[in-house]
Amino acid sequence: DGGITQSPKYLFRKEGQNVTLSCEQNLNHDAMYWYRQDPGQGLRLIYYSQIVNDFQKGDIAEGYSVSREKKESFPLTVTSAQKNPTAFYLCASSAVAGFGNQPQHFGDGTRLSIL
Amino acid sequence: GQQVMQIPQYQHVQEGEDFTTYCNSSTTLSNIQWYKQRPGGHPVFLIQLVKSGEVKKQKRLTFQFGEAKKNSSLHITATQTTDVGTYFCAGPYSESNSGYALNFGKGTSLLVTP
Repeated sequence: DGGITQSPKYLFRKEGQNVTLSCEQNLNHDAMYWYRQDPGQGLRLIYYSQIVNDFQKGDIAEGYSVSREKKESFPLTVTSAQKNPTAFYLCASSAVAGFGNQPQHFGDGTRLSIL
Repeated sequence: GQQVMQIPQYQHVQEGEDFTTYCNSSTTLSNIQWYKQRPGGHPVFLIQLVKSGEVKKQKRLTFQFGEAKKNSSLHITATQTTDVGTYFCAGPYSESNSGYALNFGKGTSLLVTP
């Protein structure tokens, strides 16, 4: 089945530690996205990428980093500079077709907590 | 990104009652999308509206896009317990380029009691 796979489902981070969240898609989508979800806050855009080797910051990029070396993969690193990383992280992808938004397909998410 | 405001934040209804959530933007949107997230799940795309005044129906769900393309609504007729979840609207993150990112509203959480 085509879809988006996020791993791990649950992740615990120690103080001062960087952690990387995995996101892989086999939908052949060009665009990929990372969102952070906190209770009552909706989805906030962290980073997005429309093509391999290129990505842009979203509204809350500070303390996070990404790479897009392959079309299928868009890992997110939560660095020690992110002081409040406890949240639900969602990865999504979409096709790129002309101008305008396309439906986004989401993974099952990763819940990150601080030890 | 462009802001989309969504109200109400929460809605609790008895099964069989109707439900409406509203989405508003201070700027004109080229399109708006709606998503549903079940408790413990991930958002799932419902529909996209593009045209001014557009109305689309999916069974008991009716979606509208305002004439000025600054507001949208989702109406559910005769709610069922399967409608429980959070409904999000989302507009383009930026209208100034061909970007594909979305800016989500904070969502309306719907609780339906039998």
